[in-house]
Amino acid sequence: TQLLEQSPQFLSIQEGENLTVYCNSSSVFSSLQWYRQEPGEGPVLLVTVVTGGEVKKLKRLTFQFGDARKDSSLHITAAQPGDTGLYLCAGGQGGSEKLVFGKGTKLTVNP
Amino acid sequence: NAGVTQTPKFRILKIGQSMTLQCAQDMNHNYMYWYRQDPGMGLKLIYYSVGAGITDKGEVPNGYNVSRSTTEDFPLRLELAAPSQTSVYFCASSYQTRGGEAFFGQGTRLTVV
Repeated sequence: TQLLEQSPQFLSIQEGENLTVYCNSSSVFSSLQWYRQEPGEGPVLLVTVVTGGEVKKLKRLTFQFGDARKDSSLHITAAQPGDTGLYLCAGGQGGSEKLVFGKGTKLTVNP
Repeated sequence: NAGVTQTPKFRILKIGQSMTLQCAQDMNHNYMYWYRQDPGMGLKLIYYSVGAGITDKGEVPNGYNVSRSTTEDFPLRLELAAPSQTSVYFCASSYQTRGGEAFFGQGTRLTVV
C-alpha cells in the first residue's frame, strides 16, 4: 500500500501549457516535500510545506499544502522543456522518523 | 564539500553473492536513509537511521541489513543477492526529518544475474 499517491503517473505536454500534479494520502503529515529528479541523478529538493493551507511559489512553480495536511499539489505555469523530469512528493509522518516517497509524476515538456 | 558519496556507482552480482553498498556524508547529519528505485517508480525506503548506533526498518527491509557505527557512514549489506534486488539504490541524509531537506547521493546501479 502506497502511503503517498501521486497523479498523474505520466504527463506529456507542449511548451507553454499549464499543469497540475497531485500528491494525496489518507494520513496526516507534519510536512510534505517536493523533489525533482533527472535521469541518472538523485532527487533534489524543490520546496517543503509545513502549515495546512500553505502556498509557496518558486518562479513558475506553485506548491500548496492541503488544509488537513493530507494532500499537496504542484502547479507549473507556462511549462518549459527544462521542467522535464520526475516529480516526487515525500512526507515525514508526525511522530515517525521515516521519510517516505510517492511513485512520482514523470513530466515531459515538448518544445 | 562532497555531500553524500556512494560507492560503487555500478555493480553486477551473481545470484547468491554478497556485497556492501557504501554511503558516507560529511554534513554531520543525524538522519540517514537507504532507498531503492525500480524503473519508472518512486523511492521505497529500505532502512533508516536517526543517529549512530540506531537503525530501523523501512518499507522493504527484507534481504538487506544496515549498521551505523559512526555519524558519517551508513553501509547497506546484501547477503544473498536475488534478481528481485536489481535496482538503483540511493542513500540520503538529513539534518532533521520533519521538514528537513534530504540530500541524495548519485546512486548505485545494481544488477543481479
